Amino acid sequence: QVQLVESGGGVVQPGRSLRLSCEASGFTFSGYGMHWVRQAPGKGLEWVALIWYDGSNKYYADSVKGRFTISRDNSKNTLYLQMNSLGAEDTAVYYCTKILSGTYSSDYWGQGTLVTVSS
Amino acid sequence: QSALTQPASVSGSPGQSITISCTGTSSDVGRYNYVSWYQQSPGKAPKLIIHDVTSRPSGVSNRFSGSKSGNTASLSISGLQTEDEADYYCSSYTSSSTVAFGGGTKLTVL
Repeated sequence: QVQLVESGGGVVQPGRSLRLSCEASGFTFSGYGMHWVRQAPGKGLEWVALIWYDGSNKYYADSVKGRFTISRDNSKNTLYLQMNSLGAEDTAVYYCTKILSGTYSSDYWGQGTLVTVSS
Repeated sequence: QSALTQPASVSGSPGQSITISCTGTSSDVGRYNYVSWYQQSPGKAPKLIIHDVTSRPSGVSNRFSGSKSGNTASLSISGLQTEDEADYYCSSYTSSSTVAFGGGTKLTVL
């Protein structure tokens, strides 16, 4: 069965960096695009970034462009999100999601990892 | 990047039908058939219930259906059940090669 397990969240000071990981299993990771989606406490979903199955194309929300970098290592079945210059507005649960083939929909979601930006 | 517009809340009684709207623009909902709907229960990750405007993933009840007209997509739920009480989010691919989400709609089953 498909499993997505995020890790790397925690408490970080404003201006610092953090790298999230998402280990995938139960499907051919190298064949699917992936999203990062976040949800601030008590708020709605916000799309963060998208990476194609082979890593050749990456797209970002305006709110994170220039600060966050999405990447993947298909040999390790792992998706990453490098987050730099973090601010309080980045505090959220971060989900990695698998993209349903031929669409931009997320058919599987991880359990999420909480990032708290606070001094 | 603007969020799609959803009503903050809707409610219905068991057995009734409800519809949740999702309004975008000609650059997202109106341009592409890449509208999705997600159901999120408290403390859980979202679950895909509709993709590509009208398609239901395997295992999703046929009480859930999607449609689109112009810049507005809609999610309909028939035969409301107490277990349908959750937050519902729409999303759409955009002409900027990004994805936009709606603000979410809280469904209360009275």
